[in-house]
Amino acid sequence: QSVLTQPPSASGTPGQRVTISCSGSSSNIGSNTVNWYQQLPGAAPKLLIYSNNQRPSGVPDRFSASKSGSSASLAISGLQSEDEADYYCATWDDTVFGGGTKLTVL
Amino acid sequence: EVQLLESGGGLIQPGGSLRLSCAASGFTFSSYAMSWVRQAPGKGLEWVSAINDRGGDTYYTDSVKGRFTISRDNSKNTLSLQMDSLRADDTAVYYCAKRSQYSSTWYTDSWGQGTLVTVSS
Repeated sequence: QSVLTQPPSASGTPGQRVTISCSGSSSNIGSNTVNWYQQLPGAAPKLLIYSNNQRPSGVPDRFSASKSGSSASLAISGLQSEDEADYYCATWDDTVFGGGTKLTVL
Repeated sequence: EVQLLESGGGLIQPGGSLRLSCAASGFTFSSYAMSWVRQAPGKGLEWVSAINDRGGDTYYTDSVKGRFTISRDNSKNTLSLQMDSLRADDTAVYYCAKRSQYSSTWYTDSWGQGTLVTVSS
């Protein structure tokens, strides 16, 4: 059971905007930056967002993230079928991960 | 292109030892901190251990302290994880990961494909 709480599942239809939350506390998210990772089925995780809202090169601008207080959120706009994956938030220099959210594209 | 290739996984009995290796290429290995992250079957990601660029500083999650040892050989671009006194709950895919720093914080910018460790009698 992780100290960062994510909803186990989320879903949306193609083209829709979905958000995934990551809730922590003042001792973790509240005092550290948040990173987000995408794990496609059967694959290794991939960096999606670092330092709360920085997008690495190659990551589509459909993916964005923010942090407020002890919570963070990942937003995916213009949802596509290939976005179906598990999404993880992480903090404390990636020593703490959320439990993951399985995103289904309906 | 960054490549991280893990090896050394397999089936091991409880109480046994295993050594994982990660061969790195496509970047200046000696300039980057590295880590191991594991994922139990059907479960989420769990950070296991990290090491700084020179190998002088090591870090572990509480559940593996005293049992696992992370090390690196910068002359061979290799990261290792020595796992002793293995338990059933160590069963997982173990990922080798490259760490990068932005401002004063860290993130994982590259991951290997993982190697499966199964602890079972």
